[in-house]
Amino acid sequence: EAGVVQSPRYKIIEKKQPVAFWCNPISGHNTLYWYLQNLGQGPELLIRYENEEAVDDSQLPKDRFSAERLKGVDSTLKIQPAELGDSAVYLCASSLNWATVANTGELFFGEGSRLTVL
Amino acid sequence: SQQGEEDPQALSIQEGENATMNCSYKTSINNLQWYRQNSGRGLVHLILIRSNEREKHSGRLRVTLDTSKKSSSLLITASRAADTASYFCATDEGYGNKLVFGAGTILRVKS
Repeated sequence: EAGVVQSPRYKIIEKKQPVAFWCNPISGHNTLYWYLQNLGQGPELLIRYENEEAVDDSQLPKDRFSAERLKGVDSTLKIQPAELGDSAVYLCASSLNWATVANTGELFFGEGSRLTVL
Repeated sequence: SQQGEEDPQALSIQEGENATMNCSYKTSINNLQWYRQNSGRGLVHLILIRSNEREKHSGRLRVTLDTSKKSSSLLITASRAADTASYFCATDEGYGNKLVFGAGTILRVKS
């Protein structure tokens, strides 16, 4: 079974440029998460989708970040314009639903997209 | 915000030794989970312990939970070089419906 797929793995851009990350969750997983991981830190939730609905985006900096999950499958996270402080790893994860994470810990992560803003 | 605080921040041991990592958290929880992250990779779920459990085992992993002290420990026995990774605890902060991760412990197992 394929895992969570993210692309690109690495991206280097100049500040003020836009950037987009793509995530394909595990087939059948209704819940999709985007996490931000700064160097030496644990992941921090940016947004959680239940199917195509964003149910928790309280930590998403909405002035420059946006996300969408059309048709409740793939998702895209966009930053426009990027700032130096956005350099980090952006992790996508998926689960069957939130209850499975709470009950069994079945939260599956992709390998992440590492962003460097120069 | 980060709920869990891992201790130590970094740990270096010889292959075959045991490794113990600790996690403290701030609010009431339903469960606590441990994840491993190899360098440059995503996180992998290791084990979940519920708030009404005190100890849980999975292979070479042993997790304890003390809700009165709001703390947990992860013990890896007979460590191997392949155990070299970062280890994170995560909780459902305040019975919320999201996982909040700590800053992690970097484990290095020398062969």
